[in-house]
Amino acid sequence: GDSVTQMEGPVTLSEEAFLTINCTYTATGYPSLFWYVQYPGEGLQLLLKATKADDKGSNKGFEATYRKETTSFHLEKGSVQVSDSAVYFCALSFTGGTSYGKLTFGQGTILTVHP
Amino acid sequence: DGGITQSPKYLFRKEGQNVTLSCEQNLNHDAMYWYRQDPGQGLRLIYYSQIVNDFQKGDIAEGYSVSREKKESFPLTVTSAQKNPTAFYLCASGEGGGRPQHFGDGTRLSIL
Repeated sequence: GDSVTQMEGPVTLSEEAFLTINCTYTATGYPSLFWYVQYPGEGLQLLLKATKADDKGSNKGFEATYRKETTSFHLEKGSVQVSDSAVYFCALSFTGGTSYGKLTFGQGTILTVHP
Repeated sequence: DGGITQSPKYLFRKEGQNVTLSCEQNLNHDAMYWYRQDPGQGLRLIYYSQIVNDFQKGDIAEGYSVSREKKESFPLTVTSAQKNPTAFYLCASGEGGGRPQHFGDGTRLSIL
């Protein structure tokens, strides 16, 4: 079945450091890929998305590129802030068939940014 | 503002009791979803619904039930058959077709 694997956390960084959170997927076909962010005690918010190979999603300084050849969608940010501290989830879904947009999630990566 | 409202925010269940979690959306989305979140395990799909009066089991449906009588509403019942119900429950809605889902703020269920 479809699956998403994220790098093990937690990740602890100092403010203004460079961030990479790795995400790879296994799927039959070509899914849409997403990064969601969850702040403490809240639901998930969409951070960025990409729907086809070589697409780059970007938002709030975060970027991720859909790499079909390596089945990856790594999240990057050039300079993190304390306010970026949260849990980050990589996810995939398909456009058709019987799945009707069900999301398959990675296990989440906890990011803590210190001043 | 459009969005998804989950209630209550915190819920406590006694042994042998059924409890119902509410989820309402005003985004006019056809599809709605229930996920369970446990520490370190990401989110797992419990049930989903594509249209009114229709729903399908997800990956961990045992011990749960749902209904979809209105487009806006998709309540989840955690039955006494669910032996490990303590978790954070998230409701989402979307347009399907690989498009993003919108999430509520969740309900945290604990056992008394």
